[in-house]
Amino acid sequence: QKEVEQDPGPLSVPEGAIVSLNCTYSNSAFQYFMWYRQYSRKGPELLMYTYSSGNKEDGRFTAQVDKSSKYISLFIRDSQPSDSATYLCAMISPYGQNFVFGPGTRLSVLP
Amino acid sequence: ETGVTQTPRHLVMGMTNKKSLKCEQHLGHNAMYWYKQSAKKPLELMFVYSLEERVENNSVPSRFSPECPNSSHLFLHLHTLQPEDSALYLCASSQDAGLGDTEAFFGQGTRLTVV
Repeated sequence: QKEVEQDPGPLSVPEGAIVSLNCTYSNSAFQYFMWYRQYSRKGPELLMYTYSSGNKEDGRFTAQVDKSSKYISLFIRDSQPSDSATYLCAMISPYGQNFVFGPGTRLSVLP
Repeated sequence: ETGVTQTPRHLVMGMTNKKSLKCEQHLGHNAMYWYKQSAKKPLELMFVYSLEERVENNSVPSRFSPECPNSSHLFLHLHTLQPEDSALYLCASSQDAGLGDTEAFFGQGTRLTVV
């Protein structure tokens, strides 16, 4: 079983839609979770990070962590064409000095 | 401006060439990383440096050789690469490595093509 799984997409939604992006993980020891956005030919850009179960909101973005289900989500409200990118979830391996990434979900927001 | 700068942005090299990738961070972080990003694959960790000492090496072929002369600079020396080494090479930094409560910031990457 992979440590972090994420639907690669592509996911296409109309402008203004609510987008839900998800990752599942296998190691219950993960404690710190991040979401990155990566535009084509650019490096990943940190969007949000959370340390505990529950929700964290920042503008149009909400990160949600459910440790009991080993499931994290990123919600994007009022999606815009400029949100079209690949979204990567990440978490810190507790057993090595290593960030573990999901493969990324490619999102297209259509005008 | 992410605070992590990589040069060059693009590099084309032959299999017999020797080249180096450079990463510089202006964030005062203690840990720096090299990642490889290939099409349709998760980011692969290559090397981790913490306080200028290598702390992790994920079985990377010896044709990739990292160097960390100080906490702000990280290099990846390349020699006798293979075409399958063509990828986006990303540098990242974080405040500390492995403490479980710190996020990583990435550079824009170097797009490497081996011909």
